[in-house]
Amino acid sequence: SQQGEEDPQALSIQEGENATMNCSYKTSINNLQWYRQNSGRGLVHLILIRSNEREKHSGRLRVTLDTSKKSSSLLITASRAADTASYFCATYRNQGGKLIFGQGTELSVKP
Amino acid sequence: GAGVSQSPSNKVTEKGKDVELRCDPISGHTALYWYRQSLGQGLEFLIYFQGNSAPDKSGLPSDRFSAERTGGSVSTLTIQRTQQEDSAVYLCASRGGAGNTIYFGEGSWLTVV
Repeated sequence: SQQGEEDPQALSIQEGENATMNCSYKTSINNLQWYRQNSGRGLVHLILIRSNEREKHSGRLRVTLDTSKKSSSLLITASRAADTASYFCATYRNQGGKLIFGQGTELSVKP
Repeated sequence: GAGVSQSPSNKVTEKGKDVELRCDPISGHTALYWYRQSLGQGLEFLIYFQGNSAPDKSGLPSDRFSAERTGGSVSTLTIQRTQQEDSAVYLCASRGGAGNTIYFGEGSWLTVV
């Protein structure tokens, strides 16, 4: 089964609002990564947070990680219509080396 | 190359035929992954290569699916006797080092009719 579970499955907001997506996982990890996917094609890496980090920023993105709760959140501030996409969290463990994805959150930002 | 390259971009095949999907990873990346994504779904892990060996092929759905990697570079995913449920986007990704970012190709969209 997939490691990550995202919530909500779908999120619709107005331009300028903030969007928060959550991800939960089941086992210990080395790092957690967030990806964006447009139109069901290739994924674009957004941000990586290591297991010993609690928060990370990149532009309008803010990611938090709570290893005690096995959860992470992705916040997109001041959203734009161009942020409309599916967002996936993925967990990485050195043992085995594979990246396991959640089911994703479909974000729609209305102009 | 500059990024992960996959071919073909789109493939329509008749049920029962075999298909080969190709992935050319970023030059120097030792780890290579294949994922499958059905319409509106998350990514399903298929197989992972480290160099030419596949330490984890646990995600291959059936013995109709196989993959190989030669020269530590190009990988081919082969689906034999395709079925309609094989229709999906097949995504390849590569990674340069432990714990590092994984880079994806644009995927191969397979439709079995």
